[in-house]
Amino acid sequence: EVQLVESGGDLVQPGGSLRLSCAASGFTFSSYWMTWVRQAPGRGLEWVANIKQDGSEKYYVDSVKGRFSISRDNAKNSLYLQMNSLRVEDTAVYYCVPYSYGSGSYGDWGQGTLVTVSS
Amino acid sequence: DIQMTQSPSSVSASVGDRVTITCRASQGISSWLAWYQQKPGKAPKLLIYAASSLQSGVPSRFSGSGSGTDFTLTISSLQPEDFATYYCQQAKSFPITFGPGTKVDIK
Repeated sequence: EVQLVESGGDLVQPGGSLRLSCAASGFTFSSYWMTWVRQAPGRGLEWVANIKQDGSEKYYVDSVKGRFSISRDNAKNSLYLQMNSLRVEDTAVYYCVPYSYGSGSYGDWGQGTLVTVSS
Repeated sequence: DIQMTQSPSSVSASVGDRVTITCRASQGISSWLAWYQQKPGKAPKLLIYAASSLQSGVPSRFSGSGSGTDFTLTISSLQPEDFATYYCQQAKSFPITFGPGTKVDIK
């Protein structure tokens, strides 16, 4: 059974930093692209960042480029999102999701972790 | 970036109704389209991938069609557990983008 456990969400002031973690199990983590997807309260889904299996390719949505950094540790089956210069509009539930490259879809989701940016 | 739109933004329907949701991409995405269902407070659930392939375990009343820029998700006979918000998502190119969602609620 696939399990994705996100952690690290918290209340942080604008301009602050936070590091999210995702512990993955139940699948071959090192074989999958991994993604962070977020959802602001009462809003839709937004793809945030993707990382290739070996970490050699990374992609970001324009709104977080230069502020967020996605990384992974395949030995620990873990995904990370370093978030700097946080803004109020970064407030959201953040989901860690394995990307099925062959079908272009996300079949397994964790419960998400809530990041609140507020003064 | 590829922009995704959905219509309608919301629909009121009754149990047993046939419901159709439309998704349009700003440029051709072949069949690189997925559909998700999300209920309040829950993570999204994959329903359809590759425009028309039913995800394992998803009831057959859900179906997807389309290619290029225009796609549809059809629920053939709405059930009580189907009241939720539905999102489309393109995977033709990064950044991956989602549609704004269609809320299906009780009439």
